[in-house]
Amino acid sequence: DIQMTQSPSLLSASVGDRVTLNCKASQNIYKNLAWYQQKLGEAPKLLIYNANSLQTGIPSRFSGSGSGTDFTLTISSLQPEDVATYFCQQYYSGLTFGSGTKLEIK
Amino acid sequence: EVQLVESGGGLVQPGRSLKLSCVASGFTFSNYGMNWIRQAPGKGLEWVAYISSGSSYIYYAETVKGRFTISRDNAKNTLYLQMTSLRSEDTALYYCARQDNYFDYWGQGVMVTVSS
Repeated sequence: DIQMTQSPSLLSASVGDRVTLNCKASQNIYKNLAWYQQKLGEAPKLLIYNANSLQTGIPSRFSGSGSGTDFTLTISSLQPEDVATYFCQQYYSGLTFGSGTKLEIK
Repeated sequence: EVQLVESGGGLVQPGRSLKLSCVASGFTFSNYGMNWIRQAPGKGLEWVAYISSGSSYIYYAETVKGRFTISRDNAKNTLYLQMTSLRSEDTALYYCARQDNYFDYWGQGVMVTVSS
């Protein structure tokens, strides 16, 4: 099974900061990676698929990059409404999620 | 507008059964693969099961294989999850979600609590 490791588990940043969240796969998954945002009490929302494709309706401050085993979700200018937990998910072999990064405002 | 509405959750004793439903609207249900994904309280996400658009392909997580059955009725725009031999570790919020590989729309979830 492919394991997904996210870091850090908790991230505190200020409004307007550029924020980077990391996701590492235990083996090569090419670009078969998605990112989700889950706000408290809500269902997850798809942000990015195929590692760097922005889902329709998602603000352009969100971007994804990477391929192979190392991936990044970047928020170019953190907004208060971005407080959430972010999950990565691979779909190269089976379907597995990372354990999440909780993002809070400093 | 795409909508997915789950129902059928509740409190159930270990070893008993429960059947979840997910009614879809706002898109052509019969064109899409569908999934069940769960989230234990305060925990991360775990994919549970997948069914292809025409029910030809069905896959399960190892943790539920042999106990859970996913099915769908395209005439009723409804996805199902029959859960048997429930265990305490099955306690979670169960989401239905659209798509084959990544999940572009999710329901709000239905809570299943397995406890004596």
